[in-house]
Amino acid sequence: AQKVTQAQTEISVVEKEDVTLDCVYETRDTTYYLFWYKQPPSGELVFLIRRNSFDEQNEISGRYSWNFQKSTSSFNFTITASQVVDSAVYFCALSASGSARQLTFGSGTQLTVLP
Amino acid sequence: SAVISQKPSRDICQRGTSLTIQCQVDSQVTMMFWYRQQPGQSLTLIATANQGSEATYESGFVIDKFPISRPNLTFSTLTVSNMSPEDSSIYLCSVEDWNSGSSYNEQFFGPGTRLTVL
Repeated sequence: AQKVTQAQTEISVVEKEDVTLDCVYETRDTTYYLFWYKQPPSGELVFLIRRNSFDEQNEISGRYSWNFQKSTSSFNFTITASQVVDSAVYFCALSASGSARQLTFGSGTQLTVLP
Repeated sequence: SAVISQKPSRDICQRGTSLTIQCQVDSQVTMMFWYRQQPGQSLTLIATANQGSEATYESGFVIDKFPISRPNLTFSTLTVSNMSPEDSSIYLCSVEDWNSGSSYNEQFFGPGTRLTVL
């Protein structure tokens, strides 16, 4: 069975601080995919990143960066120089199939960035 | 990437009634899914909506409670039947579509339907 754990329920930071959101996953599959989604207060889910199990390279996209470590089954997400607009619930998700179907979501981390 | 719309965006319903939620996609997609997000909780997959055949339900969800239709490759409906306050949730439609930015199929989500059952 698959499982995604986001131990941080809520995080609050002051604008311009860096913040890391943790994600730990469990799966028996050798091929799997990891995702991060953002859910702002408006409710829609915004796709941020996808990573497959064979690609452990870290990725940076603007102020966002992701650290994938198979040895610890973690896929952590860092926001550098946080902004108020980053306030949202962030979900980590796992799919063990060949595409993005049947996602298993973590419980989410509520990030609040204070001005 | 696909653009997804849902109707209604929100509703308040009485116990014992049923509500049908519509999901419309602006392009033909093979895979469509329905998720539920209970208040303060994560997303749980209800079922995969299959075009031309019965939906595939996840453990804990049954067709009598959540009948799903998928008449074509751009449209699906989810009905929440005989509602109780425990059904108060956000219901999200999602589709699998090609993401030209990542060169992969990705799962995109609709804006959701916020349902409150009194």
